[in-house]
Order: sequence, then C-alpha cells, then structure tokens
Amino acid sequence: EPEVTQTPSHQVTQMGQEVILRCVPISNHLYFYWYRQILGQKVEFLVSFYNNEISEKSEIFDDQFSVERPDGSNFTLKIRSTKLEDSAMYFCASSESTVSTDTQYFGPGTRLTVL
Amino acid sequence: GQNIDQPTEMTATEGAIVQINCTYQTSGFNGLFWYQQHAGEAPTFLSYNVLDGLEEKGRFSSFLSRSKGYSYLLLKELQMKDSASYLCAVLQNGFQKLVFGTGTRLLVSP
Repeated sequence: EPEVTQTPSHQVTQMGQEVILRCVPISNHLYFYWYRQILGQKVEFLVSFYNNEISEKSEIFDDQFSVERPDGSNFTLKIRSTKLEDSAMYFCASSESTVSTDTQYFGPGTRLTVL
Repeated sequence: GQNIDQPTEMTATEGAIVQINCTYQTSGFNGLFWYQQHAGEAPTFLSYNVLDGLEEKGRFSSFLSRSKGYSYLLLKELQMKDSASYLCAVLQNGFQKLVFGTGTRLLVSP
C-alpha cells in the first residue's frame, strides 16, 4: 500500500539554525500539507500546497517558514531560523484532491528538537 | 471561532464497546474525519462522514449529525491494541485544512 514517507525521523538543531524537513507524498496525489504537533497538544495545520504554490497557510506559518516541491517527488518544509518553540513533531500529508471524500494520509513525522 | 471538543480520556475493558463523542463549531463544514494516533506516531485514517448518519467499517463506526454539530466514533470488540488517541477533525468548507480536536486518549484494560 502506498504511503507518505518523511526524513529524517529525528532532527536536533541549535536555535537560529536552518532546518529542512523532507517528505515524499503518495505518487498520484496532487495536494500536499504540513501539520505540526507540539508534545501533548493537538495537531495543527501549517500549510497546504497545490500546483506548485501555497493554497492556504495558517498564522503559525510566518516568514520563517517556506515550502517547496524541488522535483517530481519531494515536498520540503524549511524553517529559516529555528526557535525553541518550533520543537514539535512535523507531519506531512497528501491527498488525491480536495473533494471532501478524499482523505489526507499522514507520514510518520519528523521530531524536531531545537536546543 | 473554531471549537472541537472531545473527552480527554476514556477507559474500557477488552471486548467491550466504547463511544467517543465529538462536538464541533467551525466556520464552514465539508466533512468530519476520525484518526487513530498511537503515542509518537502519525495519525492513521479511520473513517469520515460528510452526510448525516452512520458509516460502518468493520469494528469501527462513525456517526454524524450536522444540525447538532455532533459526531461519535464507536469501537466494538475492543482489543488491547486499540489503546491510542482518537482524533476528531473537521475539513472546513472551501479550504483544504483539517482542524483537529485535542484527541481522546483511550486506555483498554484486560
């Protein structure tokens, strides 16, 4: 069964450093998402991406964040200058379309720790 | 505003039935999803409802009443492996984002 994959599984970085989190969505999916979950809290939407551009972003997704589809398979989230409060689990998800019956499937996540 | 409420924690016994409720008030509605999340892992899709009524998938069923802003997930013949968090999430009308509740942690005991 096809699945969303993410690398790395864990990333430890120093405050102020840039990090890039990588995702490979399911191959025939057209819509890509990033969510994050701070330890013990709910899953929060960051951004959705379609046709090589951002279609929606949340208040969390400020100028420090960017997304890119550098090639036909990868989807990346970059945090330019990490802060302590960016420590969280970051989940990538993809869906075939945005019809309500099309489920978003989540990857295993990248645990980001900012020291 | 947006508000999705679920009980924080529930306990049940192996073999029993448990119902996890979710109430929501969101700006727009385009479907309600239930996900299972084991600790430290990704949310895994369980079921969705877009129209009122009951959807059944094996041991799991989900119900939706749009007029009441209410859904529940019913788990039958509970197994130890069902111990996990269950997340209720609303897909907002016209948007692609899922808005999640805080999740219900279910503990299944022998």
